[in-house]
Amino acid sequence: DTEVTQTPKHLVMGMTNKKSLKCEQHMGHRAMYWYKQKAKKPPELMFVYSYEKLSINESVPSRFSPECPNSSLLNLHLHALQPEDSALYLCASSSEAGTSYEQYFGPGTRLTVT
Amino acid sequence: AQRVTQPEKLLSVFKGAPVELKCNYSYSGSPELFWYVQYSRQRLQLLLRHISRESIKGFTADLNKGETSFHLKKPFAQEEDSAMYYCAPLTSGGYQKVTFGIGTKLQVIP
Repeated sequence: DTEVTQTPKHLVMGMTNKKSLKCEQHMGHRAMYWYKQKAKKPPELMFVYSYEKLSINESVPSRFSPECPNSSLLNLHLHALQPEDSALYLCASSSEAGTSYEQYFGPGTRLTVT
Repeated sequence: AQRVTQPEKLLSVFKGAPVELKCNYSYSGSPELFWYVQYSRQRLQLLLRHISRESIKGFTADLNKGETSFHLKKPFAQEEDSAMYYCAPLTSGGYQKVTFGIGTKLQVIP
């Protein structure tokens, strides 16, 4: 299996809801990433996990809470989001973090906050 | 500050014409650079990286340290090359991460 999968594909949530995004890879990769991509903008890094430990948090608001329960799974827990958080959320993985390892991207979750 | 610039948001070329997607960077030391591509309705994927010095789908990119550029080139554009192209340097400074440029949309006209 050489794909990164993300669920759900689309998510609509209210500002008081709690929801989670899920990302999975079975390539044995030890680094996983969350990116946020607004329309017509490049992906912006949010978090990096390396060997299941959070190694980078790009000053993301606490209403976004990442979790890496095991080496294949990455979750992003969402709570009390704002409409401006509406975006495409991309997950990626690479064999290692940093250096010149290729990142494999998932198809993304399109999030709409109402 | 470390920065990557892709000066063209949209580049339109005719099929069979040469393509050059520009990327300039301002980083100290020897950066590692990548080109990522996103075709319509497909996921973002790596096209090539400068350390490999390879040609993928007819595209090449040479790191020019004197001009601090990493332009993506192809001698003859094909319709299937139409996509969004991101120049992405590996930045450092405490930790390493890939930072994507603003992107250039390539449109190949039949």
